[in-house]
Amino acid sequence: EIVLTQSPGTLSLSPGERATLSCRASQSVSSSYLAWYRQRPGQAPRLLIYGASTRATGIPDRFSGSGSGTDFTLTISRLEPEDFAVYFCQQYGSSPGTFGQGTTVEIK
Amino acid sequence: QVQLQESGPGLVKPSETLSLTCTVSGDSFNNNYWSWIRQPPGKGLEWIGYIYYSGGTNYNPSLKSRVTISVDTSKNQFSLKLSSVTAADTAVYYCAKGNGWFFHWGQGTLVTVSS
Repeated sequence: EIVLTQSPGTLSLSPGERATLSCRASQSVSSSYLAWYRQRPGQAPRLLIYGASTRATGIPDRFSGSGSGTDFTLTISRLEPEDFAVYFCQQYGSSPGTFGQGTTVEIK
Repeated sequence: QVQLQESGPGLVKPSETLSLTCTVSGDSFNNNYWSWIRQPPGKGLEWIGYIYYSGGTNYNPSLKSRVTISVDTSKNQFSLKLSSVTAADTAVYYCAKGNGWFFHWGQGTLVTVSS
């Protein structure tokens, strides 16, 4: 199975700052089948990005995804209060689908 | 608007079988894939498996020997059974629509394995 490694483990930033999150795969993710989710405490994950760079319905344009092959990035251009949460990447190009261990974005 | 709701016991004894049901409303159950995903407390997400509305399944190899996912199209429901549970199976269990990326999720239900 494909192992996804997210970095950093924790990102300490202030509202309004830019956040850059990384997701590295142990082997190439076919057809850029890579998604990103945000999870707030006590809630289910919310889909942000699929296909490595396509924003899901209702997701604001401060979220952007990029990358291919084994290296992917989620960028949040200006952090809003609701963005302080845990972020997971997921590959769905190879079975079993797998998730990264998560990056926590916390208020500095 | 699709809504998914998990239901089932919140406490299961070790070695017994965990059973959960997901009820889908607001969308066509047919012609869709439906998945189970779990998250141990404070940890990451693990895909358990999916079922197509017509009954075809695909399971995570790490759980395949213990997992059964079934469907009841007459009730717009799909179910999860996980046998021989241990404390390591304690998690929030989510149902979700799809077999790739997941836009629609249930709220999740915590299942604790303990005697």
